[in-house]
Parts: sequence; structure tokens; C-alpha cells
Amino acid sequence: DAGVTQSPTHLIKTRGQQVTLRCSPKSGHDTVSWYQQALGQGPQFIFQYYEEEERQRGNFPDRFSGHQFPNYSSELNVNALLLGDSALYLCASSPPTGLNYGYTFGSGTRLTVV
Amino acid sequence: AQSVTQLDSQVPVFEEAPVELRCNYSSSVSVYLFWYVQYPNQGLQLLLKYLSGSTLVKGINGFEAEFNKSQTSFHLRKPSVHISDTAEYFCAVSISGGSNSKLTFGKGTLLTVNP
Repeated sequence: DAGVTQSPTHLIKTRGQQVTLRCSPKSGHDTVSWYQQALGQGPQFIFQYYEEEERQRGNFPDRFSGHQFPNYSSELNVNALLLGDSALYLCASSPPTGLNYGYTFGSGTRLTVV
Repeated sequence: AQSVTQLDSQVPVFEEAPVELRCNYSSSVSVYLFWYVQYPNQGLQLLLKYLSGSTLVKGINGFEAEFNKSQTSFHLRKPSVHISDTAEYFCAVSISGGSNSKLTFGKGTLLTVNP
């Protein structure tokens, strides 16, 4: 059973550009959450998608946006990239039953902004 | 809002020694608590969780943690560590156990096991 799949694994972008990161949740999971993990820090919640809608959002600017598709996969878009957006971006999925089994995290996308 | 403090940023230990990684949380409501492990260049793997019931929680790889509500702590312990336990460990809290849960993480503790 495949877990959470993220693509690409690594990405280098130039300041001011736009980037799209992709996530396929674990089979049976319908909720996708995105986290940003800066170097030496714990992950920070960006937003969560359920039924193709953004259900809740963390303290991130509007430059960060997302989408969820009917098959529950999700995209994270970041516009007008800043050097400070360099981080590991983690996608996590959870089932309809909630956190009895915790989130399942992907291996992340390492974004470097130069 | 809830918060998590991991009291040690780095913990070096020798192989086969016991270890405790400390975690304190702050919340005005009841919480659910988690410990995750992150190996280099990988995502997060769930070690154990406290949702309700017994305050002593056993997880994978021989780890356990105890929920102490009065001290708002959830320390992680292992009686004998191995080289392969070298990794970053994150404590996290959620105020909901439902599918709409979001996790608030601490800054992490780097456990280094030396031979």
C-alpha cells in the first residue's frame, strides 16, 4: 500500500518565480494538510484541504495557495518566491476517522530559492 | 493557541544507554499528543500518540512516553538506545482528534547515539 507521495523531491527556483508542489495521499485518506519545515525548525501548518475546499489555514500569506482534486490529491502553489520560502514542504494525509492512526507524512519536497 | 516546547535541542548518548527527550505543552483545552521521528532527508514517522486512556503510551522501536496533565508534559523515553535511533525527534500537539486536526510542533531534539 503506497503511502503519501510527493513530487518533485527537490526543486531550485529563482526569487520572484512561482512553484507548484504535488501530493498524492495515502489510499483511503481524504484530508490533505501541508506543512513548511525551515532548516533546524519543526514543521509549521500551512493549510488543510477537505472535499476540495480549504478547511483551515495557518499563519501564511496569500502567496501560498492550494487545491484539492476529486481524487483527493493536492497541490501547493507559492507565488512571488522569497529567499525565506526555502524549506522542506511536507504533505500529510489523514483518514475520515481522524487521528487514531495519526497523520501519514510524505518524504517532502526540498525547495531552494536563489 | 497551543504551543510545544522541546527543552533540549541536542541530546548525545552512548549506545545501550537510556534516554529521555523532554516535551512540555501549553493549551487552554484538552490536547492530543504525538511524537514523530525524522531520519535525514526523510519525512516524519509516527512513533506514538496519546489520545485518551492510559497515560503511559508505548510506541514503535521500543519507545514509550508518559502524559502528565498536571505538569503539561509528554516526555519520550527509551531504556536502551541503538545507533539506528540517531535522528530528529518532534513532539506535537493537537486540540482535535478528528479529521480536521492540525498539529503544532516543537522545534525538535536531535538525538545522536554514539558507539
